[in-house]
Parts: sequence; C-alpha cells; structure tokens
Amino acid sequence: NAGVTQTPKFQVLKTGQSMTLQCAQDMNHNSMYWYRQDPGMGLRLIYYSASEGTTDKGEVPNGYNVSRLNKREFSLRLESAAPSQTSVYFCASILSGVGTDTQYFGPGTRLTVL
Amino acid sequence: GENVEQHPSTLSVQEGDSAVIKCTYSDSASNYFPWYKQELGKRPQLIIDIRSNVGEKKDQRIAVTLNKTAKHFSLHITETQPEDSAVYFCAASPSGYALNFGKGTSLLVTP
Repeated sequence: NAGVTQTPKFQVLKTGQSMTLQCAQDMNHNSMYWYRQDPGMGLRLIYYSASEGTTDKGEVPNGYNVSRLNKREFSLRLESAAPSQTSVYFCASILSGVGTDTQYFGPGTRLTVL
Repeated sequence: GENVEQHPSTLSVQEGDSAVIKCTYSDSASNYFPWYKQELGKRPQLIIDIRSNVGEKKDQRIAVTLNKTAKHFSLHITETQPEDSAVYFCAASPSGYALNFGKGTSLLVTP
C-alpha cells in the first residue's frame, strides 16, 4: 500500500494563476482532509470530506475549492493564487471518524506563490 | 469553535532528561486528544492518543495525561534521546470528523 499520496511535491505559481493539488489514498478510507501548515501556526484545516459525496469547510476555506472525485481521491483547487497561500499543504485520511481511527498524512506539497 | 493552545513553543533538554509539553482546549465537547511528531521536512505522524474516558496512557517512554475538568492534557517523554528532536503537535476533536491542532512545540534534545 502506498498510503496517502500527493502530487506535485513542489510548485511555484505567479499571483493569479490557478492550480489543483491532487491527493489519493489506497487504504479504503472514508474521510479525507486538506490542511495547510505555516511556520508557527500549526496545521489548519482548509476543507474536509467526511464521506464520498460530502465536503465541509474547515477553519481557513477562503480562496480554495475542493472536489471529492471518488472514495480514493480528494483534490484542492486554488482558482487565483495569492502570496498568502504560500504554504505546505498536507492531505490526510481516516478510515471512519476522528477518535475511532488514526489520521494518516500524505508527504505534503510545498507551494510558493510569487 | 475549538481553540487549542500549546506551550512551550520551544523546549531544549539534555539527553536523558524528561520533556513535558502542555495543551489546553476550550470546547468541553472535545473527546479525543492525539499527539503528532513531525521531523524536519516530513509528514506528521501519530505517536500517542487519549480519549476522554481515560486519564492517562503510556507507551514505553511516552505518556499522555488528560484533565477534563481543567481542560488540559500533556505529553511526557522520559529518558529523551537525540532522535526525539522534532516538532510535536497536540490536537483536540469536538466533532468526530475534524481535528484542531495546537501551534507546535519544537523539541531539541542535546547529547
């Protein structure tokens, strides 16, 4: 099992450009998450999908959209990138709900917006 | 929403000493409290967790304690080793679907 995978590993964008971060898991997990990590700020939840077909906003959803393409894949889209979105983005997944199973993280995508 | 505060932000100890990291949470509905370790350039990984019906949990050199009345929980690492050097995050979950993380503690264990 590859676990949780993310593409790309690194990306540089110019202000105003758009891009989609991809996440996939092969553990048959139901819930998937997108976080951003900034120095001194910990991990902040952007969006999550409790189950296939549902998505919900987290703490910092502005400027992002998500798609739960199927049970395996959960993508994060930046429609018009801004320098404030420079961050490391982590995808994560859980078999069922928090508190009943371990949350597994992907390797991260380091995004720089110029 | 849930607010998780973590202290200290940095901690330096000598090899063999103990390290303690403390977190407080605001939402009394929170019932799950995991701790993650993140090495430089790597992904966060779960090291231990505790649920609200338990007061303490141990796993070898690592232990977590929970005080629901005071709304705080702590990570204790005994006999620290240089490989324990990393950033540690606490988290709390009030909803069953999402985690709220503290801002992290950078632990340095010097030989």
